[in-house]
Formats: sequence, structure tokens, C-alpha cells
Amino acid sequence: AQTVTQSQPEMSVQEAETVTLSCTYDTSESDYYLFWYKQPPSRQMILVIRQEAYKQQNATENRFSVNFQKAAKSFSLKISDSQLGDAAMYFCAYRSRETSGSRLTFGEGTQLTVNP
Amino acid sequence: DSGVTQTPKHLITATGQRVTLRCSPRSGDLSVYWYQQSLDQGLQFLIQYYNGEERAKGNILERFSAQQFPDLHSELNLSSLELGDSALYFCASSLEAANSPLHFGNGTRLTVT
Repeated sequence: AQTVTQSQPEMSVQEAETVTLSCTYDTSESDYYLFWYKQPPSRQMILVIRQEAYKQQNATENRFSVNFQKAAKSFSLKISDSQLGDAAMYFCAYRSRETSGSRLTFGEGTQLTVNP
Repeated sequence: DSGVTQTPKHLITATGQRVTLRCSPRSGDLSVYWYQQSLDQGLQFLIQYYNGEERAKGNILERFSAQQFPDLHSELNLSSLELGDSALYFCASSLEAANSPLHFGNGTRLTVT
């Protein structure tokens, strides 16, 4: 079974600065997908970014980018020019490609605080 | 708006009772997933349905059951409720393709007193 680990329960960043959230995962599969979701105080789950394991290029969505290291099974999220609205719980998630329609396996989350 | 609708938003009930949570997936999505999020915890996978059939089971208690109907909406039934069942219950839906993200509803907050 796949596992996802987020070793930083809490992180903080100054507004306009850059922060990196860590995520590692364990799998024996070669093809899969990785996601970062954001959960603000409203508790809504919002997709931030996704990465396909067979793609070498790191995904980018505006101020959000990932550093995907397949050999190290690492998938970190970088938030540039942090804004107050970025404050949220961030979850890393894994989805198998080998099993069609499979579930997302989530890490325990990192609570991000943005200081003005 | 994710397109996934969950009702009710809040539910307060007593121990020993039974409740039903309802989910309508995004238009076109055949897969429905149920997750449980206890206070300040991660999301625990409960069960998945695909086009009316159970596809995968996670850490779902025997007191809990679910189904997906022909119109693709799903219901999660929780019975003999205990205090520890208090949590946020999310429904999510997706397309079949594995690169499709899960789209989450806003959740149902269940409080068992």
C-alpha cells in the first residue's frame, strides 16, 4: 500500500516571501499521480497543483510550483510571493495510475501560517 | 464551486442514532469517494463507488455503509453512532482517468452528542 508523509505539521512564512512544504511518499509503482490540495479555514478542499510521475518537467501553476524527485520519492510544494490568502492546511496526495479510478491517499497535512 | 453537492451541511445527533449523508457528484463523473476527517486530522478514505458498483473499501466501520444510485448520487449511512464518529465527512467525485483530480464537496459536519 502507498503511504504519504508530510514531516512538517506547521510552517510559517512572511507575506511576499517564499516557502516550501515537504512531502515524501512510498510506492512500488512506476506510474502514478501526485497532487497538492489546500484546505482553508472554510474546510473546503481545493486542488492546488498536480504532477504526473512520467513527466520530468515540474508542474507550475502561477505562484505554485513543485519539485518532483522521482528517485527520492519526494514531492515538495513551493509557494512564491506568499499572500495572506495562502494560509491554510496543505495536503499532499498520491493516486495510482495502475489501478483505474483509484482513491487519493493523503498525507497528514501541513498547517501554513502567513504573517503580515 | 467544485460541482459536488453534499447535504446536509451540518448534522447534530445523539449517540446510538442513525444518519444519512447525501452526495451528488459533478456532472459526468462516475466515481464517488467518501472520506472522513476528524478534528485536525488528515483525510481517511472510507469507500469508493463507480457507476453504481463498489470499487474499493478503506477504513470503513461495519456500522457504516454506502451506496450509489442509478442517477449516480450516493448516500453514506452511519448507524449506532458514537462520540468518536464526530467528524467532517467529504464526498468527492472524479472521471475514470487516473490523472483526473478528485473534486470535493464542502463536506457534512457531523456532531454526535
